[in-house]
Amino acid sequence: RKEVEQDPGPFNVPEGATVAFNCTYSNSASQSFFWYRQDCRKEPKLLMSVYSSGNEDGRFTAQLNRASQYISLLIRDSKLSDSATYLCVVQAPNFNKFYFGSGTKLNVKP
Amino acid sequence: GAVVSQHPSRVICKSGTSVKIECRSLDFQATTMFWYRQFPKQSLMLMATSNEGSKATYEQGVEKDKFLINHASLTLSTLTVTSAHPEDSSFYICSVQEGAGGNTGELFFGEGSRLTVL
Repeated sequence: RKEVEQDPGPFNVPEGATVAFNCTYSNSASQSFFWYRQDCRKEPKLLMSVYSSGNEDGRFTAQLNRASQYISLLIRDSKLSDSATYLCVVQAPNFNKFYFGSGTKLNVKP
Repeated sequence: GAVVSQHPSRVICKSGTSVKIECRSLDFQATTMFWYRQFPKQSLMLMATSNEGSKATYEQGVEKDKFLINHASLTLSTLTVTSAHPEDSSFYICSVQEGAGGNTGELFFGEGSRLTVL
């Protein structure tokens, strides 16, 4: 079983739509959770950390559900510039490794 | 966040040659750096953890004699792909982890190095 699993998509949505991604993780003792954004042929860039209480940054909201072992990312009012691959990242309990999901591809269309 | 610079961004080499990739932490003293590899349409796979002043820790299945890692200072780690073959063609990315004690906090990535072996 993979440490982190994501739906690869692609999610094709019109501008202005709301879209949500989920990601599940296998180790219940995982400590930290992140969403990264990766544009084609570029390095991943931190989008947001995911806290137990959930957090929001503008149009982006991240949630953590420890009981069900998943994290989510909600994007409201999608922009063309949101088109990218979104990577779910989970940090191992002993802090020394990060596990990456395969990424969910989002295409926002005019 | 931490600023990480990687060089070269793109390299094309002949099969059998060696290629060195540099990763620099510009504003952060990194005792640990991570080297990842990413094949097309796949996620990042950790190759090794580079430790300043000591040997790197390699992930299972990664040949340490083929992928030589040197972390001689707190700001520089290098990855050398020795005797490169076409199947080594990939996107290699380094990262540092920012945070107190070096084991908490987010990862920040270099720009990546795209290796093509002919």
